Amino acid sequence: AQSVTQLGSHVSVSEGALVLLRCNYSSSVPPYLFWYVQYPNQGLQLLLKYTTGATLVKGINGFEAEFKKSETSFHLTKPSAHMSDAAEYFCAVSSPQGAQKLVFGQGTRLTINP
Amino acid sequence: EPEVTQTPSHQVTQMGQEVILRCVPISNHLYFYWYRQILGQKVEFLVSFYNNEISEKSEIFDDQFSVERPDGSNFTLKIRSTKLEDSAMYFCASSEVADNSPLHFGNGTRLTVT
Repeated sequence: AQSVTQLGSHVSVSEGALVLLRCNYSSSVPPYLFWYVQYPNQGLQLLLKYTTGATLVKGINGFEAEFKKSETSFHLTKPSAHMSDAAEYFCAVSSPQGAQKLVFGQGTRLTINP
Repeated sequence: EPEVTQTPSHQVTQMGQEVILRCVPISNHLYFYWYRQILGQKVEFLVSFYNNEISEKSEIFDDQFSVERPDGSNFTLKIRSTKLEDSAMYFCASSEVADNSPLHFGNGTRLTVT
């Protein structure tokens, strides 16, 4: 079975500050890992994903995440927050055998303070 | 950019009634999915659909639920005899292939069962 834990249901940062959203996963097989963003009244949009290869993954809007197998983590970062980054962020895991059956974390709501 | 569209955006129904949630996936996509998110809980996989049949379903997807692709463009989720606990946001998604191609999500239908 697979699971995802996102530490912090709410994160608040100042505009221009570092964004760090934490995600830890549990998987008995090599994981595929994803970050999705949901803006108000919109669907889930893929930010980035890790399947194989380079462990540092760059996504849209300046976000990146690093797969750390030893720590079972896939934290999302952005060097400088922008007001438009305010949204809910979901980490998800799947496997090569069931690549589209995503198991989601509970989500982290990111607030950007001016 | 092509989008997955879902209708209606909000559906209110009485307990015991049947509802049909509608989705139009991206036109060249072959794989279709339903996920749901009960308020305050995680986004959960319900079912995946390919080549006019269910390819995988979760334990949530019991006999109360069914999916159909009635024509070349629509993908529907039917819930028979709705229960209060069916109240949730239902997300449709589609992808080109089943491996690690990204899921494209719709904006969701909020179902309220009274």
